[in-house]
Amino acid sequence: DTAVSQTPKYLVTQMGNDKSIKCEQNLGHDTMYWYKQDSKKFLKIMFSYNNKELIINETVPNRFSPKSPDKAHLNLHINSLELGDSAVYFCASSGRTSGADTQYFGPGTRLTVL
Amino acid sequence: AQSVTQLDSHVSVSEGTPVLLRCNYSSSYSPSLFWYVQHPNKGLQLLLKYTSAATLVKGINGFEAEFKKSETSFHLTKPSAHMSDAAEYFCVVSFTGNQFYFGTGTSLTVIP
Repeated sequence: DTAVSQTPKYLVTQMGNDKSIKCEQNLGHDTMYWYKQDSKKFLKIMFSYNNKELIINETVPNRFSPKSPDKAHLNLHINSLELGDSAVYFCASSGRTSGADTQYFGPGTRLTVL
Repeated sequence: AQSVTQLDSHVSVSEGTPVLLRCNYSSSYSPSLFWYVQHPNKGLQLLLKYTSAATLVKGINGFEAEFKKSETSFHLTKPSAHMSDAAEYFCVVSFTGNQFYFGTGTSLTVIP
């Protein structure tokens, strides 16, 4: 009964390809996020959706397109992959628990672009 | 402007000795504060959170953190380090519900 799940866990692909990462949460949360973690472990917010509406869209190349078919899912599609896209991508969701909105993270998707 | 600073990028301690990981924040608002742990090749796990109730917060695995408003700090401590505590730790602050600001992380090494 994983709270936030992502697929695939590992993704190895060639430059120029298009790929998608899927995320699902079963916590009933209204808000979902995508983060990118680089090799130095910095976590950078990419997108945030609340009730299927985009609320945060940081400076991310438009090759990255999030899609939220419903409140429980937030998928990330990446076009024309580049070497610099290699990173670990984390999905998260947040909801109010014990007095504060709290984020819960998926296990991550390690993307390697060759 | 809101921000969070983790003062040490790396901390090394010997097994059985205390752990102190430092976090300071800047905000005009009352924050919610969190510590997450990330073990190698794993996702982020919530250790503990402060939400304006008790200023001393107890978390999982023997960790605790104290919110000090006068010092704008939320340092993470543990009385006795265990080898399994070796990981990356992130301090996170939230001011407006669903926006979260991450520190740059502290890598904890535990020496046997």
